[in-house]
Amino acid sequence: EDKVVQSPLSLVVHEGDTVTLNCSYEVTNFRSLLWYKQEKKAPTFLFMLTSSGIEKKSGRLSSILDKKELFSILNITATQTGDSAVYLCAFSTGANSKLTFGKGITLSVRP
Amino acid sequence: GAVVSQHPSRVICKSGTSVKIECRSLDFQATTMFWYRQFPKQSLMLMATSNEGSKATYEQGVEKDKFLINHASLTLSTLTVTSAHPEDSSFYICSASKVDGTDTQYFGPGTRLTVL
Repeated sequence: EDKVVQSPLSLVVHEGDTVTLNCSYEVTNFRSLLWYKQEKKAPTFLFMLTSSGIEKKSGRLSSILDKKELFSILNITATQTGDSAVYLCAFSTGANSKLTFGKGITLSVRP
Repeated sequence: GAVVSQHPSRVICKSGTSVKIECRSLDFQATTMFWYRQFPKQSLMLMATSNEGSKATYEQGVEKDKFLINHASLTLSTLTVTSAHPEDSSFYICSASKVDGTDTQYFGPGTRLTVL
């Protein structure tokens, strides 16, 4: 059965800390892995990863994919209170195909 | 950009009535749109996938006669919750993927449905 497992399920850090969020997956026909950030409303897109070992970076956020070990990590450096959210990862099996989501990681950044 | 809108953002209705939710891609054409529901503190649960001009594909356990989906154009999909009951109260979110064939889905802001 195709699935996504995210860990930890929740964590609390202080502003300025660096966090690493984990996402492992099992899927028959993998095409890409996506990270989203969800605050109070709907998810906003962060990254899409298709190739192993190539880091994607956007400001303080970065992500990398390991297709051999079937996992991805999302790093956030110098965390801010505005980073508090649920971080979702999902895989896709093809263009315009459905995404299979993990349960999400709830990150709380305290001042 | 890739902006998706949903309307209404919040709706309260009486049990037994039907509610229509619209999902629009504002600055791109969407080959495929997806409808999710999300319960508090839970992840997104895919309800159905809709392609423009064809019937929606529903996930197992989702009643197609209760959740009617229409995808009449490349920028608009609608979800109608028919004969709503309190257990249908949830956060409904749509997403859209571009016609260029990428995997990324762009999400609307969601609709909070409360059935009394």
